[in-house]
Amino acid sequence: DIAMTQSPISLPVTPGEPASISCRSSQSLLHTNGDNYLDWYLQKPGQSPQLLIYLGSIRASGVPDRFSGSASGTHFTLKISRVEAEDVGVYYCMQLLQTPFSFGQGTKLEIK
Amino acid sequence: QVPLVESGGGVVQPGGSLRLSCVASRFTFNAFDMHWVRQAPGKGLEWVTFIRSDGRNAFYADSVKGRFTVSRDNSKNTLYLQIDSLRSEDSAVYYCAVMGPNIYYWGQGTLVSVSS
Repeated sequence: DIAMTQSPISLPVTPGEPASISCRSSQSLLHTNGDNYLDWYLQKPGQSPQLLIYLGSIRASGVPDRFSGSASGTHFTLKISRVEAEDVGVYYCMQLLQTPFSFGQGTKLEIK
Repeated sequence: QVPLVESGGGVVQPGGSLRLSCVASRFTFNAFDMHWVRQAPGKGLEWVTFIRSDGRNAFYADSVKGRFTVSRDNSKNTLYLQIDSLRSEDSAVYYCAVMGPNIYYWGQGTLVSVSS
């Protein structure tokens, strides 16, 4: 099974400052088609998760361009260039390469 | 219309059963694989199961294998999750979701509470 490890678990950020969340997979998530099967989700308080990034680096429709995703081997990074108050919530990475699919444990972003 | 609407949650005793439903709209349901994901109170997300678009194959998390059964009725645009032999650790909000390609929706979730 593929294990997903996120860090940090808690991320206090000042509005306007950048933020970065790391996600590491225990195995490569690179499909034979050349895509990394790694998605990023944000779950705002009291809401269902919403997709931010799919296939490692493609921003979902309607997601602000301050969000970006990147991949380097088994290390994936979600970056927010300038954090806004509406970005608070828990961020999850998820691998969909191989069943059982799996999520990271989550990173809680809060505003300082 | 909300793309995915779950129902069927409730309070059930340990060892009991429930069937959850998820009605889809606004997309071509029979073209997409569908998932169930759960979230225990105050905890993170746990992938539970997914079923192929034609309903012929399904895959499960080890924690639910043998107790949960996913199915779908493409004529009714509906996804199901039959949950048997419920345990306290199955208490969670259960979400149905479609996760691509090109379409990503989650429902609002339905709460299952296992308690005597």
